[in-house]
Amino acid sequence: DTEVTQTPKHLVMGMTNKKSLKCEQHMGHRAMYWYKQKAKKPPELMFVYSYEKLSINESVPSRFSPECPNSSLLNLHLHALQPEDSALYLCASSPRTSGGGYNEQFFGPGTRLTVL
Amino acid sequence: AQSVTQPDIHITVSEGASLELRCNYSYGATPYLFWYVQSPGQGLQLLLKYFSGDTLVQGIKGFEAEFKRSQSSFNLRKPSVHWSDAAEYFCAVMTGTASKLTFGTGTRLQVTL
Repeated sequence: DTEVTQTPKHLVMGMTNKKSLKCEQHMGHRAMYWYKQKAKKPPELMFVYSYEKLSINESVPSRFSPECPNSSLLNLHLHALQPEDSALYLCASSPRTSGGGYNEQFFGPGTRLTVL
Repeated sequence: AQSVTQPDIHITVSEGASLELRCNYSYGATPYLFWYVQSPGQGLQLLLKYFSGDTLVQGIKGFEAEFKRSQSSFNLRKPSVHWSDAAEYFCAVMTGTASKLTFGTGTRLQVTL
């Protein structure tokens, strides 16, 4: 398996709802990432997990809560979102290099989120 | 802080014509550089990467890029564009031990038949 999968493809939620986005990879990559991409903008990093531990949080509001239950799975829990949180949410993973750093990132197709 | 500049927001080329997309970076050390392509509503696909060594790198779909340290550039080229190449192209620099990617603002490529 050489891809990153994301579910659902589309999600519509109200501001009081709780929902989760799921990302999965079976390539043995030990770093996983969440990005947010608004229309006609580049992706913006939200979170980085390295060996299932949160290593970077780019000052993301607490209404976004990441979780990495195992090395293949990454979740993003959503609660009390605002309409301006509507965006494409991308997941990525990266293999470890022999030198201890990480290599290129492989992206999933994204989840298109609409907050009403 | 590292940054990436893509000076061209939108480029239109005719099918069969050559293509060059510009990318300039600002980073103190030797950068790890990437080009990604994104079709509308889709994820990003890696076209090519530069870590070290030969400054001319070959990628998928007939794309290549040249790293020029003196100009802080990593321009993407293709000798003959196909209509299916129409998409958004992002240049990115990777920094830090956790491989944080910083993207340029992107260049939208339109291909006319």
